[in-house]
Amino acid sequence: SYVLTQPPSVSVAPGQTARITCGGNNIGSKSVHWYQQKPGQAPVLVVYDDSDRPSGIPERFSGSNSGNTATLTISRVEAGDEADYYCQVWDTSSDHYVFGTGTKVTVL
Amino acid sequence: QVQLQESGPGLVKPSETLSLTCTVSGGSISNYYWSWIRQPAGKELEWIGRFHTSGSTNYNPSLKSRVTMSVDTSKDHFSLKLSSVTAADTAVYYCARTQPSNYAGGAFDIWGHGTMVTVSS
Repeated sequence: SYVLTQPPSVSVAPGQTARITCGGNNIGSKSVHWYQQKPGQAPVLVVYDDSDRPSGIPERFSGSNSGNTATLTISRVEAGDEADYYCQVWDTSSDHYVFGTGTKVTVL
Repeated sequence: QVQLQESGPGLVKPSETLSLTCTVSGGSISNYYWSWIRQPAGKELEWIGRFHTSGSTNYNPSLKSRVTMSVDTSKDHFSLKLSSVTAADTAVYYCARTQPSNYAGGAFDIWGHGTMVTVSS
């Protein structure tokens, strides 16, 4: 089955840029969605279809997708961005959703 | 504003069937895909399956043999049944709505708060 691999953790200083990768075989041919999950809360959609932002999500959150890697970029990181982040795709070969392994973002 | 609320027993015995309901408020249940997702403590999200109110369903291949989903459009709620549960099914269970898109794999734009289910005798 399709596998999405994320780094377990990313650390970033306030005001700097965090980049979270999501690796998958030819992921560039799929639409990737990204979710933010804070402790004890449900996930929140922050980027969909590779690079679109839902209403209410700051422009600091952006996404890209090419080849075997999709990337969520958080610019001008704030303390409130500290959370787990998950990528997601629809696997057309077996008609089911796959989530990535998750990345914990720590703001130093 | 659409909101989702999961409900059901917090404790299920091994080998029995886990049953959960997701109630949709503030909007219609019709003409959307609705999914169930679970998350064991400290672990990643796992998609369980989804259905469309037109009748179409898709399930995670790893759970397909044990999963049943149904909908009651008159009451604006939908349900999940997971049979023959074991301790490995202990998790927070979420329901979520797929936002409209022109392809099969749209993003989940609205999530319930989640409900904790423990499998134990």
